[in-house]
Amino acid sequence: EAGVAQSPRYKIIEKRQSVAFWCNPISGHATLYWYQQILGQGPKLLIQFQNNGVVDDSQLPKDRFSAERLKGVDSTLKIQPAKLEDSAVYLCASSFQGADTQYFGPGTRLTVL
Amino acid sequence: AQSVAQPEDQVNVAEGNPLTVKCTYSVSGNPYLFWYVQYPNRGLQFLLKYITGDNLVKGSYGFEAEFNKSQTSFHLKKPSALVSDSALYFCAVREGGNNRLAFGKGNQVVVIP
Repeated sequence: EAGVAQSPRYKIIEKRQSVAFWCNPISGHATLYWYQQILGQGPKLLIQFQNNGVVDDSQLPKDRFSAERLKGVDSTLKIQPAKLEDSAVYLCASSFQGADTQYFGPGTRLTVL
Repeated sequence: AQSVAQPEDQVNVAEGNPLTVKCTYSVSGNPYLFWYVQYPNRGLQFLLKYITGDNLVKGSYGFEAEFNKSQTSFHLKKPSALVSDSALYFCAVREGGNNRLAFGKGNQVVVIP
């Protein structure tokens, strides 16, 4: 079974530039999560989708971060404009609807200079 | 709010010795607890979870965890550590009704040959 796919794996940008990350969840997983993992910390949830609807975006900095999952399958997370403190690994995870266990992709490491 | 604490930054253990990674939790209601492992440049991999039932939970790669309600702990254990167990280990608790996970800061485990 294919796992959660993410691209790109690495990205380096200048502050104030924009960047987008892509995630394709495990087939059949209705729930998709985006996490931000800052170096030395545990992952923090940014946004959770159920199919193409947002379930929880309470910790998403909405002035600069946006995410969509238009067809209820793959998803895109965007940052515009980026700040230095956005340097982190962005992890995508998915699960079956209502299931406890989340499966994570390899992540995208973002460096903002 | 639900939370977990991982009091140690790094755990060093000799290969073949027992490995313990500590986690304590703070929740209102019944806890849903998880352990994940992260290898360098890879996403988080699910190890095991406690939802209800037997206090000793067995998981992947020979790991197990003991749920202790009186001590509010959920320590991860392995009877005999391998060099390949060297990785970052995260304890997490489900918070809210949407399966959002709150992670600890992580423990670096170093198994010395």
